Amino acid sequence: IAGITQAPTSQILAAGRRMTLRCTQDMRHNAMYWYRQDLGLGLRLIHYSNTAGTTGKGEVPDGYSVSRANTDDFPLTLASAVPSQTSVYFCASSESSGSGSPLHFGNGTRLTVT
Amino acid sequence: GQNIDQPTEMTATEGAIVQINCTYQTSGFNGLFWYQQHAGEAPTFLSYNVLDGLEEKGRFSSFLSRSKGYSYLLLKELQMKDSASYLCAVRDGDYKLSFGAGTTVTVRA
Repeated sequence: IAGITQAPTSQILAAGRRMTLRCTQDMRHNAMYWYRQDLGLGLRLIHYSNTAGTTGKGEVPDGYSVSRANTDDFPLTLASAVPSQTSVYFCASSESSGSGSPLHFGNGTRLTVT
Repeated sequence: GQNIDQPTEMTATEGAIVQINCTYQTSGFNGLFWYQQHAGEAPTFLSYNVLDGLEEKGRFSSFLSRSKGYSYLLLKELQMKDSASYLCAVRDGDYKLSFGAGTTVTVRA
């Protein structure tokens, strides 16, 4: 079944550790996104990529980095995790970054930083 | 940043109608989306409006007024499975999609 796969499903991480959240899509979508979802704050955009080889900063990029070496993969790296990065992380993709292109979401990664 | 407001919670009875309002202030506008998110699951796409007016999709309808910065999602003939969070999202002038905090709808028998 075509879609977006995120890994791991959940993770408990010690503060200061480095962690990469994986995201792969098989829909050949051009645009990909990383959001974090926190209670009462909704989904906030961390980083995005409109096409392979390009990335951009969203609303809350500090402490995170991304790369887009190919169309399918869009990993999110926390260089040195802090407790405030405890959240549910959703990867999403859309056919393009244009107006009417809806986002399709992965099932999320629940990250706890202790 | 963007400013997207929607009520936190709503409760309705099975078979009834519920209207979820969303107001927004963004720098530029390239469309408004509604998503449904069940607890512990990923958001799923419900509807898209870019022109003023009503879009109907079965039991769900979405309305947009660009001049008022206003949209609503109408859920008709409510079913228990409609209990979920409903997220309003706006694509701004730079084509970035920002989300409201979501409205949790509880359907009671």
